[in-house]
Amino acid sequence: EAQVTQNPRYLITVTGKKLTVTCSQNMNHEYMSWYRQDPGLGLRQIYYSMNVEVTDKGDVPEGYKVSRKEKRNFPLILESPSPNQTSLYFCASSVTQGAGELFFGEGSRLTVL
Amino acid sequence: GENVEQHPSTLSVQEGDSAVIKCTYSDSASNYFPWYKQELGKGPQLIIDIRSNVGEKKDQRIAVTLNKTAKHFSLHITETQPEDSAVYFCAASYSGGYQKVTFGTGTKLQVIP
Repeated sequence: EAQVTQNPRYLITVTGKKLTVTCSQNMNHEYMSWYRQDPGLGLRQIYYSMNVEVTDKGDVPEGYKVSRKEKRNFPLILESPSPNQTSLYFCASSVTQGAGELFFGEGSRLTVL
Repeated sequence: GENVEQHPSTLSVQEGDSAVIKCTYSDSASNYFPWYKQELGKGPQLIIDIRSNVGEKKDQRIAVTLNKTAKHFSLHITETQPEDSAVYFCAASYSGGYQKVTFGTGTKLQVIP
């Protein structure tokens, strides 16, 4: 089954404790990206990657890091989480760099105390 | 950069009635306009999209219209059913270069049985 898998789905952590949210897709997509969803703000892009070893900032990259060492994986790293990073996070992938369907994971709800 | 505004933020309709969600965009270079449906606890899923060389597209009970001159596009759902209850996001992107997708802030649709 074609899918984007994120882990963990739910996480409660404390300020400053490094964490990683993993994302893996099995569709051989070149393009992957991370979004955060906050009430009233919709989906905002954090980082994106056009291919292995190619990443760039989205609209709200502060406090986040990413890496793309393999085509299927695109982890999101919070080196020192803060309460304002409490949010619902989505990973997405797409077959093309151009305009096309984004396939989203099920989401990771993160709470930073 | 692109800015997408979406209205209304919430919408309640009686089962069987029609629902209309409207979006405006700012960047005349945008040429791809997808609509995503997010059910509770899940990631957004593409339901319909339209490209700038088309004015209207239909898929069963769902239709999208695009007015390039006015820079707005709308989602129309006819004969609404309870399973249409969800959050709907419009988006705009440009197919040249990298896939920068800008989302609207979302509309929570409630279909009352």
